[in-house]
Amino acid sequence: DARVTQTPRHKVTEMGQEVTMRCQPILGHNTVFWYRQTMMQGLELLAYFRNRAPLDDSGMPKDRFSAEMPDATLATLKIQPSEPRDSAVYFCASGFNLGTEHYEQYFGPGTRLTVT
Amino acid sequence: AQSVTQPDIHITVSEGASLELRCNYSYGATPYLFWYVQSPGQGLQLLLKYFSGDTLVQGIKGFEAEFKRSQSSFNLRKPSVHWSDAAEYFCAVGVRSDFGNEKLTFGTGTRLTIIP
Repeated sequence: DARVTQTPRHKVTEMGQEVTMRCQPILGHNTVFWYRQTMMQGLELLAYFRNRAPLDDSGMPKDRFSAEMPDATLATLKIQPSEPRDSAVYFCASGFNLGTEHYEQYFGPGTRLTVT
Repeated sequence: AQSVTQPDIHITVSEGASLELRCNYSYGATPYLFWYVQSPGQGLQLLLKYFSGDTLVQGIKGFEAEFKRSQSSFNLRKPSVHWSDAAEYFCAVGVRSDFGNEKLTFGTGTRLTIIP
């Protein structure tokens, strides 16, 4: 049963610290998405990659956030320095082109980040 | 810009009763529509999707949804709910972005509570 995995599942850190979240997409998927979920804003798309190339990171605060795909099996989202307002659940999703360019996205379980 | 409205923040239904969750979208072209379900502490799971063709689509767990272009709606239905259906339900619209790929815009979600 293929699924998206995310680590860590929970992270508590102090303001100013660096946070790295990792995602392993489903093998064979060529698109990876990072979302943030908060009570106030709901689900927001932060960034996404296709074939490891960043396509759109317009939803991401670029002064402190960065997203990369070092290889096809790993996507990372980093926050440096972290702030209390970054507290949220961060989801990774992966997808594949169905031939009609209409993606299905498969979500990981999320990383719950708390910044104190 | 595209948007998705889920007018019901919270719905309570008795076990065995029928269910309808509302979703309205705003988009200038034919949308690609999705329903996802999120159980507490979990990621989002795809219930069903509409790309084209038959406007009544069947999904997993006994759910179905009907696309009504005239009403810009994609309501989710189930004839008889089970206690395990208690979760948060998200409607999403997929649109072509400036980069030529689909991005998902999510509604704010409807929380479903099942009472015995």
